[in-house]
Amino acid sequence: QQQVKQSPQSLIVQKGGISIINCAYENTAFDYFPWYQQFPGKGPALLIAIRPDVSEKKEGRFTISFNKSAKQFSLHIMDSQPGDSATYFCAAEHPNDYKLSFGAGTTVTVRA
Amino acid sequence: NAGVTQTPKFQVLKTGQSMTLQCAQDMNHEYMSWYRQDPGMGLRLIHYSVGAGITDQGEVPNGYNVSRSTTEDFPLRLLSAAPSQTSVYFCASSYSIRPTYEQYFGPGTRLTVT
Repeated sequence: QQQVKQSPQSLIVQKGGISIINCAYENTAFDYFPWYQQFPGKGPALLIAIRPDVSEKKEGRFTISFNKSAKQFSLHIMDSQPGDSATYFCAAEHPNDYKLSFGAGTTVTVRA
Repeated sequence: NAGVTQTPKFQVLKTGQSMTLQCAQDMNHEYMSWYRQDPGMGLRLIHYSVGAGITDQGEVPNGYNVSRSTTEDFPLRLLSAAPSQTSVYFCASSYSIRPTYEQYFGPGTRLTVT
């Protein structure tokens, strides 16, 4: 049973468009929410992260929106580029043991 | 810095065989971990270590053993391979167990058990 549910499983966006990936969680004690980016044949790499006391965090073209009351958070990729084509994982930190629960992943394809 | 290295990149095993997946890091990180990645499941923690001589189980430890004799190395042993262990395995390291300290992942080992 996955503690973090991620959608969609995959998406295709045109160059310059906006990619949106959504995650939902049940455990209200989670207190750290990172996003990882994974290119084919590579390991995941930390992209951006947020704590629940902040509603939005932006780093370049990547923005996390966080809705604590709805227990949801999302990744927005603005002005999507072909180089953004990758699989993206959301995750949530368990507060007691610091372990991460990962979403199932979203494969993003940006068409030129 | 080589970062986190894993060997082999690919491996095919027959059911019942044993093998060791190697992981090494040169960043002097105390925390190391092993994940498996399966389609539709994300990454799941197998075992982790908070320092040399200290290991603990993650979410899916059955069928796997680990040991940590040095800070640099954290091998994962499959005792008797089963088809359910077909997966991509990632080793990761970080300064601390807290995910707020970035985890650095290796390139992965793709394992197929027939």
